[in-house]
Amino acid sequence: DSGVTQTPKHLITATGQRVTLRCSPRSGDLSVYWYQQSLDQGLQFLIQYYNGEERAKGNILERFSAQQFPDLHSELNLSSLELGDSALYFCASSASSGGRNTIYFGEGSWLTVV
Amino acid sequence: QQQVKQSPQSLIVQKGGISIINCAYENTAFDYFPWYQQFPGKGPALLIAIRPDVSEKKEGRFTISFNKSAKQFSLHIMDSQPGDSATYFCAASKTGRRALTFGSGTRLQVQP
Repeated sequence: DSGVTQTPKHLITATGQRVTLRCSPRSGDLSVYWYQQSLDQGLQFLIQYYNGEERAKGNILERFSAQQFPDLHSELNLSSLELGDSALYFCASSASSGGRNTIYFGEGSWLTVV
Repeated sequence: QQQVKQSPQSLIVQKGGISIINCAYENTAFDYFPWYQQFPGKGPALLIAIRPDVSEKKEGRFTISFNKSAKQFSLHIMDSQPGDSATYFCAASKTGRRALTFGSGTRLQVQP
């Protein structure tokens, strides 16, 4: 158990809909990362937050947004969903942004868009 | 642009054999190179990591070899066991930017 908690574990929704994925980082970790894993794209970095502020942005679509709250949990919002958004979405966390901090992954949220 | 290239895509090894997975990177600013192991239904978990100031790091049966001039690094699994069957990802990042850039993954199957 990595200590990173993601909900829901599975989600099925229709095209055009909006969903929210939730992540609780490991206790004490200030950085939260979101990754998308699909068969043809591998693990793609979406976005990183550090102590409530956006720190880095990767290949995140404009239809997607995220935030990190004062209690450090994070949410990834996916809107106007398309079939191609079906993937496994991982949240990960690490301690401070510097040093040799390990990044720990949750078990992911399976999103199926039908 | 894929910044970390990983090969092979899949690998079948007999129990007791050596599994070798290779990665090459493009960004010379990368200074942290971890390997992650992922079992079905689970998230990736850190296996071993290396920084470019050393050429090799060993932890148990797992060894990373690093060639800075060639911009390549590899994972060697000695005495491979069926329990090692998983997908392995190499990754890279640079200090100050903690987000990892992952390779495409290698599905390892160790046959008993």
